[in-house]
Amino acid sequence: KNEVEQSPQNLTAQEGEFITINCSYSVGISALHWLQQHPGGGIVSLFMLSSGKKKHGRLIATINIQEKHSSLHITASHPRDSAVYICAVSAGAQKLVFGQGTRLTINP
Amino acid sequence: DAGVIQSPRHEVTEMGQEVTLRCKPISGHNSLFWYRQTMMRGLELLIYFNNNVPIDDSGMPEDRFSAKMPNASFSTLKIQPSEPRDSAVYFCASSLGGQVEQFFGPGTRLTVL
Repeated sequence: KNEVEQSPQNLTAQEGEFITINCSYSVGISALHWLQQHPGGGIVSLFMLSSGKKKHGRLIATINIQEKHSSLHITASHPRDSAVYICAVSAGAQKLVFGQGTRLTINP
Repeated sequence: DAGVIQSPRHEVTEMGQEVTLRCKPISGHNSLFWYRQTMMRGLELLIYFNNNVPIDDSGMPEDRFSAKMPNASFSTLKIQPSEPRDSAVYFCASSLGGQVEQFFGPGTRLTVL
């Protein structure tokens, strides 16, 4: 079993829909990261959080430390949100362990 | 800021050849990370440096891989000899130490024939 599991692996939605991507982890962590990888391949860090909730524009990330679970939400989704979203955790040191990614496609 | 710079962006080589990938971190960042991404295994950490010192190289697959950071503004990842299974996208990332956001370079797509 992987240390970091994401669901769903693939998600297709219509423009405007509310999107939720889930991440569960099995180890104690010091921080959880959400990354976005666009079709061109570049990787951008969206959030780093260790508790509670963070919001940036239409993106919201939450984490429940007791349940070892995090969610990434996208409100009013847009075709430009189409990308692979990757959850990663760090357990004390700076070393990141990655989930397998969720491929999101938003159709106009 | 120019961001993390990697070169080359694409590399095609033949099995048995030496490959050197290069990375320039963001100025002032003191942590540097080398990652590999494949379809089968996703993203994996190969090695990371703090203040030019290798901290964790447990992800380096085997002795054919080596990484150096001779100064704060330059790092190399070398594969010698290369094998077809080394084909992947190699990312370099840097951060300002500690538990903080990492900034990724554009990646080097390596194809070993």
